[in-house]
Amino acid sequence: DAKTTQPTSMDCAEGRAANLPCNHSTISGNEYVYWYRQIHSQGPQYIIHGLKNNETNEMASLIITEDRKSSTLILPHATLRDTAVYYCIVGSGGSNYKLTFGKGTLLTVNP
Amino acid sequence: DAGVIQSPRHEVTEMGQEVTLRCKPISGHNSLFWYRQTMMRGLELLIYFNNNVPIDDSGMPEDRFSAKMPNASFSTLKIQPSEPRDSAVYFCASTIRAGLDTEAFFGQGTRLTVV
Repeated sequence: DAKTTQPTSMDCAEGRAANLPCNHSTISGNEYVYWYRQIHSQGPQYIIHGLKNNETNEMASLIITEDRKSSTLILPHATLRDTAVYYCIVGSGGSNYKLTFGKGTLLTVNP
Repeated sequence: DAGVIQSPRHEVTEMGQEVTLRCKPISGHNSLFWYRQTMMRGLELLIYFNNNVPIDDSGMPEDRFSAKMPNASFSTLKIQPSEPRDSAVYFCASTIRAGLDTEAFFGQGTRLTVV
């Protein structure tokens, strides 16, 4: 699986958009980009995933560059409850499917 | 659906004792994963099952660890004998299938302390 690089930590003001970057320069053609987050003491929670096109759901938007070597998770209006560790994961399917978590980005939303 | 259910939520045991962690995946999900989380090593995948069959157990730290999935609705992770360095939060997750375009649902975890 391709490796990902994320900043260790980021801050965001409540109500503002949070933009979390992820580099995955070794991603291969059949690998998806997944985002999960983990709020303190809880199990990881799925946010969104994508292959090539930008994706949006009720939680966030995922912007993937045309060369697929990087992506950005956007939380449009961050709240205090969005404070968590955000993991960017690249994975493929089939018999080798597995989600390998890195260290992620600690996003702190400040009032 | 109640989601992925893990038990117990907390376990404190003495070194050398056998520990069994339990997981009930979401009904209809065909893949199940066991993870371990520590401050030092983060989230580590230990093993995963597809249709009750272990597919990849390369993350299992040593022979003291074993995992089973006797049926689609139940899995166990056993540590025998337990050691203080096994202290961690153990998460179970399930997906409808192991493949592209799926999301994994995680349980609330079991916090294991070995003294």
